[in-house]
Amino acid sequence: EIVMTQSPATLSVSPGERVTLSCRASQSVGRDLAWYQQKPGQAPRLLIYNASNRATGIPARFSGSGSGTEFTLTISILQSEDFAVYYCQQYDNWPPVTFGQGTRLDIK
Amino acid sequence: QLQLQESGPGLVKPSETLSLTCTVSGGSISSSSYYWGWIRQPAGKGLEWIGTIYYSGTTFYTPSLESRVTIYRDTSKNQFSLRLNSVTAADTAVYYCARQKTFGGVITPYFDYWGQGTLVTVSS
Repeated sequence: EIVMTQSPATLSVSPGERVTLSCRASQSVGRDLAWYQQKPGQAPRLLIYNASNRATGIPARFSGSGSGTEFTLTISILQSEDFAVYYCQQYDNWPPVTFGQGTRLDIK
Repeated sequence: QLQLQESGPGLVKPSETLSLTCTVSGGSISSSSYYWGWIRQPAGKGLEWIGTIYYSGTTFYTPSLESRVTIYRDTSKNQFSLRLNSVTAADTAVYYCARQKTFGGVITPYFDYWGQGTLVTVSS
C-alpha cells in the first residue's frame, strides 16, 4: 500500500498570506494525486486532480504542483473560508486509493 | 445537479452487520461514465476508502476490509449499498458515498461528488 504523508499536521496562518502544504508518497505515483478541502461537519470537496488540474468551480488561488513522490498545494492569498483541513489522495495503480492524514489550517 | 444521500442505522451492535444505502439523484448509477464508492472517516481522523462499484456490478475493495465488505447496487432505485460484517468499535465512523468519473473509458479514481455523510456508531 502506498503511504501518503502530509506536513505539517497543523499550520497557523493569517488571512491574506500565501501558504504551501506538502504531501509525500512512499513510492512514485506519477501525477495521480488529488487534493481535497474539508470543513467541520462537511464532506470533503475536490480541489485538484492529476496533481495540478483545478476541479470545477475551484478558485484560481488554489494551485497544485509536483510529480513522483513530492506534491504541494498552494493557496496564494488565504481567505477566511479557506481555513479547513486539507487531504491529499493518491490513485496510481488503482485500486486501492489512499489518503494522507491531513493538514489543518488554523487562523493565527 | 448530482446529489448523493446516505441512509441507514446510526447505531450497530458489535459483531453485527452495518448496512448503508446511498441514493443518487440528478444522475444515473447505470451510466458507464461513473463509478460509485464508499469512504469512511473516524472522528478526528483521516479518510479511508472502503470500496467502489461500477455500473456493471464489478466491485473493488480495500484489502484490509475485503473479507468483511460487500457493495451492491439496485439500478431500479438508483441506489448502491454497503454491507460490513462483524463490526467492532473500530468501525465507528462517518461513512460517505461518492462518485468517481471515467475518462476515455478508464476510471479516474478521485471523488468529485460526495454525500453529506452519516455517522455510524458501533456499541452495545
